[in-house]
Amino acid sequence: KNQVEQSPQSLIILEGKNCTLQCNYTVSPFSNLRWYKQDTGRGPVSLTIMTFSENTKSNGRYTATLDADTKQSSLHITASQLSDSASYICVVRRESGTYKYIFGTGTRLKVLA
Amino acid sequence: NAGVTQTPKFQVLKTGQSMTLQCAQDMNHEYMSWYRQDPGMGLRLIHYSVGAGITDQGEVPNGYNVSRSTTEDFPLRLLSAAPSQTSVYFCASNGPGFTYEQYFGPGTRLTVT
Repeated sequence: KNQVEQSPQSLIILEGKNCTLQCNYTVSPFSNLRWYKQDTGRGPVSLTIMTFSENTKSNGRYTATLDADTKQSSLHITASQLSDSASYICVVRRESGTYKYIFGTGTRLKVLA
Repeated sequence: NAGVTQTPKFQVLKTGQSMTLQCAQDMNHEYMSWYRQDPGMGLRLIHYSVGAGITDQGEVPNGYNVSRSTTEDFPLRLLSAAPSQTSVYFCASNGPGFTYEQYFGPGTRLTVT
């Protein structure tokens, strides 16, 4: 079954601290993996897109890693800011099939001052 | 560019009523999709379109209709609203390649009483 599982479900950290969010998937055939940020009441916004051959990709303070062998990805947030408070959604795109985008349920991050 | 726009932002319906959620994009994307987002679940695909005049069902199509008469517009119709359709609805569009970014609209929060 094609699934994307994220952990933790929720996380609270202090401003300035780092954190790492996890994503495990059992999706095939694999095309690429995406991380999205979703602010409350808004639509998801893309942070990174990683293909099979990419191990690490950065977007400012966000760094995503991908291990295609173990089917795991992580999103590391450095020096967190209050504006990082949001849900972070891991999405795996399939290379074929009707439902090409398989969405995780997200990690809800709250950054406290 | 406005990106992906959706109207209305909020809507309350009584059981049995019908309505249309509007979605438009100005990026000349061929691919457009409708998702629903429910608490504790990942986004689920309702219907999608790969071009004007071409639509197909997604994972949860029952109770919804779509049409695609132009590249820009992709309305979602609720035929006879049910409480189970209470959800947040997102429209998305993307280009044709595997690594094309998927852009989401701001969402429509629908409550069916």
